[in-house]
Amino acid sequence: EPEVTQTPSHQVTQMGQEVILRCVPISNHLYFYWYRQILGQKVEFLVSFYNNEISEKSEIFDDQFSVERPDGSNFTLKIRSTKLEDSAMYFCASFYDRVGTEAFFGQGTRLTVV
Amino acid sequence: SQQGEEDPQALSIQEGENATMNCSYKTSINNLQWYRQNSGRGLVHLILIRSNEREKHSGRLRVTLDTSKKSSSLLITASRAADTASYFCATVPSANSKLTFGKGITLSVRP
Repeated sequence: EPEVTQTPSHQVTQMGQEVILRCVPISNHLYFYWYRQILGQKVEFLVSFYNNEISEKSEIFDDQFSVERPDGSNFTLKIRSTKLEDSAMYFCASFYDRVGTEAFFGQGTRLTVV
Repeated sequence: SQQGEEDPQALSIQEGENATMNCSYKTSINNLQWYRQNSGRGLVHLILIRSNEREKHSGRLRVTLDTSKKSSSLLITASRAADTASYFCATVPSANSKLTFGKGITLSVRP
């Protein structure tokens, strides 16, 4: 069964450093999302991406965050200057044909900022 | 906020019993989805119910939707220890909107 793959599974970084979280969505999917989940808390929407541009972003997704699809397959989330409060699980999700259908989530990247 | 709110926050039952989890939301929806998350893992889609549907089944899962009450329930019948996980409802306000998740319900099934 096709799956969404995220790397790395765990990233530890110093506060102020830049991190790039990577996702390989399912190959024929067109809509891509990043969500995050602070330990034990709700799953929060960060950003949606379609047709090589951001279609929607949340208040959390400020100037320190960026997304891109550099090579038509990978989908990346960059956090430019990490803060302690960025520590969370980050999930990538992709959708088959349009938003509002079943989402396929990756296993997540656990980001720990120290 | 469109966010779904699950109830109860935690549920502990004996293996073989049924588990019922509820979700309420505030505004109209295109569809509502239930996801499962094992500890420290990703979210796995369980079932999607559209606004014009009232009930759906998938194996041991039964989902109902009452749009007049803005609520949904997820029933897991004949629970197993392996059903132990967190369960989230997620709402989609319109056909091109993002999923918005509730806080989740922690289900523990005792062997």
